Amino acid sequence: GQSLEQPSEVTAVEGAIVQINCTYQTSGFYGLSWYQQHDGGAPTFLSYNGLDGLEETGRFSSFLSRSDSYGYLLLQELQMKDSASYFCAKGGGGNKLTFGTGTQLKVEL
Amino acid sequence: SQTIHQWPATLVQPVGSPLSLECTVEGTSNPNLYWYRQAAGRGLQLLFYSVGIGQISSEVPQNLSASRPQDRQFILSSKKLLLSDSGFYLCAWSPTDRPNTGELFFGEGSRLTVL
Repeated sequence: GQSLEQPSEVTAVEGAIVQINCTYQTSGFYGLSWYQQHDGGAPTFLSYNGLDGLEETGRFSSFLSRSDSYGYLLLQELQMKDSASYFCAKGGGGNKLTFGTGTQLKVEL
Repeated sequence: SQTIHQWPATLVQPVGSPLSLECTVEGTSNPNLYWYRQAAGRGLQLLFYSVGIGQISSEVPQNLSASRPQDRQFILSSKKLLLSDSGFYLCAWSPTDRPNTGELFFGEGSRLTVL
């Protein structure tokens, strides 16, 4: 199968920490990517996990557990500009990515 | 530095009319190229994938076709649009020397409304 499951919406307050989970089916799995998309814009790459463990890039971190077919994106010190949709994507050969349906993050004051 | 451009940004077309969306990449050679479609409020669906000139892989059966007449040019076409072809079309590229990094670089997108 190709599907990835992630929550449709998450709401958090400015300055908080939020975690967006993603579970996936393992066929053709190379790694897990995360993308951010603001309304009307194009997706932009945030992070990639090819191996188990935590990858940290500034305020954003991403985690992968292959044995659990599970990953998450962690956003710290939330800012209003972080309000966007976040997609996990399963990597296939040649960077042919299968995307989840996205999680809309709303950051409130 | 590498850049990707696609056009037009927005178009409204009647059912049954043809379509042509164009995408070009600059600053790199022999990129992998992709066409994705995003329905409103949904994730991205891979439509076509290309590893070189004239080499197109169709990922889903549909009313669309793709062509790669030059190394850094990718075109999405239809002879007769359907209502269900409406959506946000995104072109993307990735470097062939880094095949499994999970990183795609997307163009600005083309929003198609079929009436």
